[in-house]
Amino acid sequence: NAGVMQNPRHLVRRRGQEARLRCSPMKGHSHVYWYRQLPEEGLKFMVYLQKENIIDESGMPKERFSAEFPKEGPSILRIQQVVRGDSAAYFCASSPGQGDAEAFFGQGTRLTVV
Amino acid sequence: GENVEQHPSTLSVQEGDSAVIKCTYSDSASNYFPWYKQELGKGPQLIIDIRSNVGEKKDQRIAVTLNKTAKHFSLHITETQPEDSAVYFCAGNTGGFKTIFGAGTRLFVKA
Repeated sequence: NAGVMQNPRHLVRRRGQEARLRCSPMKGHSHVYWYRQLPEEGLKFMVYLQKENIIDESGMPKERFSAEFPKEGPSILRIQQVVRGDSAAYFCASSPGQGDAEAFFGQGTRLTVV
Repeated sequence: GENVEQHPSTLSVQEGDSAVIKCTYSDSASNYFPWYKQELGKGPQLIIDIRSNVGEKKDQRIAVTLNKTAKHFSLHITETQPEDSAVYFCAGNTGGFKTIFGAGTRLFVKA
């Protein structure tokens, strides 16, 4: 059973470009969470999705950021018109249910905006 | 909302000694507390968790304690080894959908 798969592992974008980060949850998991980690800092919640639904996006900036988890395919975190402050590691986690179900993380995508 | 505070931010111990990391939480409704270990360049890995109906849980050299009255929980690592060196995160969850993480503790185990 493969773990949570994120790609790409590293992504370099110029200011103003778009970044697309992909996350395939573990088999059987229907809940996906995205977190952002700045260097030397903790994990900040961004968004929680179930298939075709955004449940909580309270941690995601209102502009330029969007997330989806379609019926088929991976979850996508999309950042439009990237700025240098978007440079961070973005982690996806999945769980079979909400609440106290164990969440498993992917290896992350390290976004660098130049 | 839930707020999780973690101390210390950095911890250095000699190989073979014990390490203790402490966390406090604010939301009394929190009922699930996982601990994650993150090695350099990797994603966080769940190492142990505890639910609010349990006061202590142990798994080999790792143990976690929970004091619901005081709203704090701790991670104990005994007989530390160099491979225990990593960043450790505590977290709290109210049974809803959002796990809130502490800021992390960077553990150094000196050989």
